[in-house]
Amino acid sequence: EDQVTQSPEALRLQEGESSSLNCSYTVSGLRGLFWYRQDPGKGPEFLFTLYSAGEEKEKERLKATLTKKESFLHITAPKPEDSATYLCAVRLHGSARQLTFGSGTQLTVLP
Amino acid sequence: DVKVTQSSRYLVKRTGEKVFLECVQDMDHENMFWYRQDPGLGLRLIYFSYDVKMKEKGDIPEGYSVSREKKERFSLILESASTNQTSMYLCASSPKGIREAFFGQGTRLTVV
Repeated sequence: EDQVTQSPEALRLQEGESSSLNCSYTVSGLRGLFWYRQDPGKGPEFLFTLYSAGEEKEKERLKATLTKKESFLHITAPKPEDSATYLCAVRLHGSARQLTFGSGTQLTVLP
Repeated sequence: DVKVTQSSRYLVKRTGEKVFLECVQDMDHENMFWYRQDPGLGLRLIYFSYDVKMKEKGDIPEGYSVSREKKERFSLILESASTNQTSMYLCASSPKGIREAFFGQGTRLTVV
């Protein structure tokens, strides 16, 4: 069965303490991997799309990378406003229109 | 700027009522989706549509139906609301191809 697993479930960081979130997938025929940020009570906000192993994307303090089995979201020198739940999702061969989501990592950055 | 708008942020309905959730996108996207999000279960796909009047079932379509009469509008219908349909409902749209989806702000539905 195709699966998307995010770890850790929750992460608490001090402001400025860099870390990484993991998204691993046991799927065949990956067509794209997507990262989203979700604030409480709101819809997910799109961050990045990655299509092939070795690809990297950056936006401010965030950097997403992709290998054949997993993706990392690196957060450099985080600030309290980076606190949110980060979701990854994959799009598969044969399900070009559908996204399969992981359960998310809840990030808290303490001042 | 991309915009997906859901008609209500919060709704409270009674068991057995017929409930309509509306979603409008202004990006001329072909694909539109309805998800529900519950603690511990993540986002689950209810239905999606890849063209006007076209629809496909997602992972949890039971108790729901959808309507897409115009490209920009996708409606989710709860035929007879039940308490286990209390949830956050999220609408999304995406262009044709392997592209990202953009989400609305969500509707928090409570069925009492």
